[in-house]
Amino acid sequence: DAGVIQSPRHEVTEMGQEVTLRCKPISGHDYLFWYRQTMMRGLELLIYFNNNVPIDDSGMPEDRFSAKMPNASFSTLKIQPSEPRDSAVYFCASSPGGGTEAFFGQGTRLTVV
Amino acid sequence: QKEVEQNSGPLSVPEGAIASLNCTYSDRGSQSFFWYRQYSGKSPELIMSIYSNGDKEDGRFTAQLNKASQYVSLLIRDSQPSDSATYLCAVNTGNQFYFGTGTSLTVIP
Repeated sequence: DAGVIQSPRHEVTEMGQEVTLRCKPISGHDYLFWYRQTMMRGLELLIYFNNNVPIDDSGMPEDRFSAKMPNASFSTLKIQPSEPRDSAVYFCASSPGGGTEAFFGQGTRLTVV
Repeated sequence: QKEVEQNSGPLSVPEGAIASLNCTYSDRGSQSFFWYRQYSGKSPELIMSIYSNGDKEDGRFTAQLNKASQYVSLLIRDSQPSDSATYLCAVNTGNQFYFGTGTSLTVIP
């Protein structure tokens, strides 16, 4: 398996623009997580899905953030409009569930200028 | 209140020494515990998982779990410069993963 695949790896955008981050989880994994990592706050859970259904989005900073999982092999995290404070590394991770390990994608480094 | 606490370090050890990393968690219902290694600019990489009290060894790495004390640790024996990284403790509670802020380890040649 290729592991969790994220795209793009790097994104530079201007304030106010829409940004879409993409994730393909490991096949057969029922759980998908979106995290944001910054030096100040570490790894923050934004939202997670179980069998394509959002379970907990309490970590989503505000209404500018939205996430979808239309099928078992694809998820998106959208920021509209983007702001400089959204600059961070965004990770997607997937897990088979049952309390077992989560595996991370390579991350998307987002810079909003 | 944070779910998972780690000493942020930095921790420096000489090459060949034992590095000891510690983590405490708040939810007694947590069942699964993990250590991830993250090199600068890279994604977290799973290195150890532990599910029951006691020690679990994998090569130079030993994870220790004490559920009564809500304490997890990672020992790295014969530390190598390539072990220099940030180590993240993670706890799985109700299928959610809670991460500590990480401990930065530097192994000095």
